Amino acid sequence: GAVVSQHPSRVICKSGTSVKIECRSLDFQATTMFWYRQFPKQSLMLMATSNEGSKATYEQGVEKDKFLINHASLTLSTLTVTSAHPEDSSFYICSAGTSGAYEQYFGPGTRLTVT
Amino acid sequence: AQSVAQPEDQVNVAEGNPLTVKCTYSVSGNPYLFWYVQYPNRGLQFLLKYITGDNLVKGSYGFEAEFNKSQTSFHLKKPSALVSDSALYFCAVRDTGGGNKLTFGTGTQLKVEL
Repeated sequence: GAVVSQHPSRVICKSGTSVKIECRSLDFQATTMFWYRQFPKQSLMLMATSNEGSKATYEQGVEKDKFLINHASLTLSTLTVTSAHPEDSSFYICSAGTSGAYEQYFGPGTRLTVT
Repeated sequence: AQSVAQPEDQVNVAEGNPLTVKCTYSVSGNPYLFWYVQYPNRGLQFLLKYITGDNLVKGSYGFEAEFNKSQTSFHLKKPSALVSDSALYFCAVRDTGGGNKLTFGTGTQLKVEL
């Protein structure tokens, strides 16, 4: 149980284009979803927290107009990187939490490369 | 503000020997503490958590951790390491005072050698 999927697992896009990453909770309803960014050999940096049906709460320093988050249902959240630039290249990981559990369940991550 | 420190970037241990990965934390209230493991190019897998109760918690794959309130520590341990335990380990804390955000440490690379 508590499986979270991400799609795509890997994406390469050209500078200036937008990329959408999907995060799904497969066997539970996620009241809250989190989006992280991880640079090589570094820790996870929380980008934003989203609750189903509400606007996402962004961490300080994260551009909300660049990283659009939509949490349309209890099983799906999307992160859209708009007008991507090479410095946006990173490993993006989502996680999901449910009201009955203390821990978060993580997706496998998406490797974004912007050329 | 809550924080987590993992003082060792890397820990090397021989297979069959006990391993310890260190973690200390800082929160304003009582902590919820977690350990996660990450294999290359993968997301994080949950290992174990401390919420309340017994200070020694047991988790997946034979790992355990001991909550020490006076030392504000939550070290991860395993009695006998396996080569397959080689991975990146993250300690995380969540403040029970409110909110559900996790704060992660910088990670410790565990290398288990034959």
